[in-house]
Amino acid sequence: EVQLVESGGGLVQPGGSLRLSCAASGFTFSSYEMNWVRQAPGKGLEWVSYISSSGSTIYYADSVKGRFTISRDNAKNSLYLQMNSLRAEDTAVYYCARDEHGDYGYWGQGTLVTVSS
Amino acid sequence: QSALTQPASVSGSPGQSITISCTGTSSDVGGYNYVSWYQQHPGKAPKLMIYDVSNRPSGVSNRFSGSKSGNTASLTISGLQAEDEADYYCSSYTSSSTLKVFGGGTKLTVL
Repeated sequence: EVQLVESGGGLVQPGGSLRLSCAASGFTFSSYEMNWVRQAPGKGLEWVSYISSSGSTIYYADSVKGRFTISRDNAKNSLYLQMNSLRAEDTAVYYCARDEHGDYGYWGQGTLVTVSS
Repeated sequence: QSALTQPASVSGSPGQSITISCTGTSSDVGGYNYVSWYQQHPGKAPKLMIYDVSNRPSGVSNRFSGSKSGNTASLTISGLQAEDEADYYCSSYTSSSTLKVFGGGTKLTVL
């Protein structure tokens, strides 16, 4: 069974940093592209970042470019999102999602990031 | 403001059919057959219901169907059931610097 489990969310002050993790199991992690998608409280979905299976190709949404860094460790079956210079508008539930030819076929349960003083 | 435009809400009675629209531009919905639809129940992660405009993943009921005309995609749910009550989001590949765009979401109420 495919499982994606996010962790690392929490309360952080504006300007602070946080590192999210996503532990994958039930499939060959190294064969799949992965994404981070977020959802602000009561709002819609927003794609955040993409990473290819090898990690060689990466994309970011304009809203996070230069502040967030996506990475992966295929040996540890893990996906990461390093978030720096956090702003109030980054407050959201962050989901990791397995890429299925450009769509998101499997999602984790999400981890809440709250940016507030 | 979301890149793709969806109605905020739609409703229907059990057994009826409803359609949710998703309007974009020639740079996203109209330019590619890469429109997908997600269902999200409160407090849950989204679930892929339709991909590549009209394809259903394994396990998704054939009551769900998708189509596209020009810059507008549509999700139709036939034979409405109580468990269909949820938020629905469309998404599309885009040629802009953002890889993927979503609609603002549509709340489906089953009366």
